[in-house]
Formats: sequence, C-alpha cells, structure tokens
Amino acid sequence: EVQLLESGGGLVQPGGSLRLSCAASGFTFSNDAMGWVRQAPGKGLEWVSSFSALSSNTYYAESVKGRFTISRDTSKNTLYLQMDSLRAEDTAVYYCAKDFPVITHNAFDVWGQGTMVTVSS
Amino acid sequence: QSVLTQPPSVSAAPGQKVTISCSGNSSNIANNYVSWYQQVPGAAPRLLIYDNNKRPSGIPDRFSGSKSGASATLGITGLQTGDEADYYCGTWDNSLSAVVFGGGTKLTVL
Repeated sequence: EVQLLESGGGLVQPGGSLRLSCAASGFTFSNDAMGWVRQAPGKGLEWVSSFSALSSNTYYAESVKGRFTISRDTSKNTLYLQMDSLRAEDTAVYYCAKDFPVITHNAFDVWGQGTMVTVSS
Repeated sequence: QSVLTQPPSVSAAPGQKVTISCSGNSSNIANNYVSWYQQVPGAAPRLLIYDNNKRPSGIPDRFSGSKSGASATLGITGLQTGDEADYYCGTWDNSLSAVVFGGGTKLTVL
C-alpha cells in the first residue's frame, strides 16, 4: 500500500524553527517528485515546495522562499521540510504529497494525513 | 488571491449534475495538465482527476474533467450527499515555476 506519514509538527514561537518529516512506503521514492502543501485554518490549499526526482531541483512558493528548505533522503525514503524564521502566517496543516515523476506534469496522487504547525508566542 | 479562479460555492439537489469551473491563463492551465482534488471536512485532499480528464483507479465515472484553452471544468453527475466537500483545481505555472491551486469550491448537495 502506498503511504505517506508526516511528523514533526507542533507549537513554535515566532522566529523559531521546525523540521517536518514525511516517511514514504509502497512506491519507489527516488522515482517521483514530492511536495509539501499547507492549509491554514479555514482556508484553501497552498503549495509550499516541491522536489524534482529527475533533476534534484527544488521549488518554493514566494511566501516561504529563503526560509524553508526541502530535501530528501532516499536511503530512508523520507522527505523533509526545514522551516526557519517561522511567522504566525505559517500556521497551518502541512501535507506531504507524492507527485508525478516530471514536476511540470503536476498531480499529487497520494497525500499524507497532515501535521499541524502552530506559530505563536 | 489565488492564481486560478474558482467559484466559492455551488449547490444542486441529489441526483442532479453540477459543474465547477477553474480559470487560469497561458502560463498555467492553457499549457499544462490540470488536476482536481476533493477534500471532505477533516480529511486530506484526494486526487479526483489528472491530466485534464483522467480518473485514478477507484474514482467513479460520475466525476469527469475537461479543459478548453485557459479554463478547466469538473463535472459531477448523480450527486450524492457524500459528494459534499471542497473541490480544488491545480496545475503547474511556467512563469512562477510553481504549483498553483484554485481557491476552492464548496459543494452543497441540498
């Protein structure tokens, strides 16, 4: 069964850091692009970042560029999102999602259950 | 303000048909594949349609997708109360080098 399991969310003060993890199973992790999508309370989906499996290129939304870093460890089948300089507006449920191999041919076909990040003093 | 434009809400009676529109431009929908997602309250999104009009296994053929120019449409026939959810369109944007989503459409089955 294809599965994604996020962890690492929690409460953090403004300016603080968190690292989210997404453990993948049931598919060849190194073949597919992966992404992070977030959803603030009561709001819609917002794409955060993607990692291209083919080129290892990384992509970021303007709202997180320079503060967040996406990476992966293929030996552990795990995707990461390092979040620094966190702001109140980063408060959201963060979903890990599996994409198609070619990142411009986007379709998130598998989603994790999400992990909540709350930025507050 | 979302890059892709969707109506905030639509409604129809059980058994009826509804369509949800998604409008973009030449940087996104017009030149890339469109996907549609369903999100019921409290759950993660689920892929309904990819490549404009293809359904993943397990998605009933009551759900359909189409694209024309810079706009895409999700159609749902034989509406059921279980279809009440938020629906999002998404695609790649060549100018932004980013995945973009619509603002979401809340479907109410009256």
